[in-house]
Order: sequence, then structure tokens, then C-alpha cells
Amino acid sequence: EDQVTQSPEALRLQEGESSSLNCSYTVSGLRGLFWYRQDPGKGPEFLFTLYSAGEEKEKERLKATLTKKESFLHITAPKPEDSATYLCAPGMGSGNTGKLIFGQGTTLQVKP
Amino acid sequence: DGGITQSPKYLFRKEGQNVTLSCEQNLNHDAMYWYRQDPGQGLRLIYYSQIVNDFQKGDIAEGYSVSREKKESFPLTVTSAQKNPTAFYLCASSMEGQSYGYTFGSGTRLTVV
Repeated sequence: EDQVTQSPEALRLQEGESSSLNCSYTVSGLRGLFWYRQDPGKGPEFLFTLYSAGEEKEKERLKATLTKKESFLHITAPKPEDSATYLCAPGMGSGNTGKLIFGQGTTLQVKP
Repeated sequence: DGGITQSPKYLFRKEGQNVTLSCEQNLNHDAMYWYRQDPGQGLRLIYYSQIVNDFQKGDIAEGYSVSREKKESFPLTVTSAQKNPTAFYLCASSMEGQSYGYTFGSGTRLTVV
């Protein structure tokens, strides 16, 4: 059965305190691992796509990495504006980008 | 600017009523999706469509219906058969072969009164 688990469910950090969010997945026919940011009451906003184990991508204070069974979102020296829910979504199937299976998300709060 | 527009932002439904949520995109994307989001849960797929006049059930299709008469539009009807419709509904679209996954709308929050 295809599954995605994100941990922790909630994370509180002080401004400048680096940490990592975990996404563990079991998906047949992985076609990309997607990370999104979601602010309260809004739709998710695309951050990264990773396609192969060992791949890394960076954007400002965020860096995403991928292994065969996990993905990590590393947050370096976070700021209060990084507070949001971060969603992980493995893509599966054939053809187009296909269906994404979403984890329940990690809600990050960064205090000044 | 290209994007996905969901309307209304807030919707209230009485018991026994059907309501329709609108989703329009001008990105020329082929595929469109409807997700439901409940507090503490991930997004769950309701229906998706990869081409006009064709759509498939997702994981929680019971009590919902869709149509895809135009490439730009993918409305979702929440029927009276859906016993727990209060949730945040998200529409998304994607184009085959592109690496940035889905583009999401801003969502519709449906509340049963």
C-alpha cells in the first residue's frame, strides 16, 4: 500500500535554530518527490521536485534531499516568515505527473 | 497572469442541499484535480481528470460529482449524500511532462449550517 508519513507533526523553533523535517514514503513507481509550503487558509505553493536518490535542491534557507525511502527538508537559520505547514508528496504512476499522495504535513512555527 | 481561480472562498450549505464549487484555470494544463483537506490530515484526492470529457474517482469520491466539459473548468458538486462535507477544498492542475507538479487554487472552505 502506498503511504507517506511526515514527522514531526509540529515543530517550534527559535529564530536562527536550524532543524530538519522528515518525509518517509512507500510508493510503487515513484515519479518525483514534491515539497510544498502551505500558509493558513491558502493553497499549497510549490517548493521543490526531487527525482533520484542523492539529489539535492536549495531555495533560500531551505534544502531538500532525497533517499530511496525518505526525503528531508532542512531549514537553516529560519526566520518567522518561514512559519507554515510543509507538505511532502510522492508522485506515482505512469504518463504525466500523475497522482500525488500527500503526507499530513509538518506545521512549523518560528518564534522571533 | 496565469493561475487557478476557485470560487467562492467561503460557502455555507444547509443539510440536504447540493452545492457546486467552481475551479477555472488559464494555464492550458491538461489535468485537473480536486482534493479535500481536514485539520491534521493530508490532502485526500476526490476526483481527477486528465482530458476533457473524462474523469476518474479518487480515494474519497462518494458523495461528490464532477464534470469536465471544457479544458479550463472542473467544477465539483458536493451532494446531499456526502455526510460530512465541512472541509477545505482545493483544486489543482498540472501539465504532462513538467517537473513542478501541481498548481493549486486558493481553496474553498465549505461549512454545513
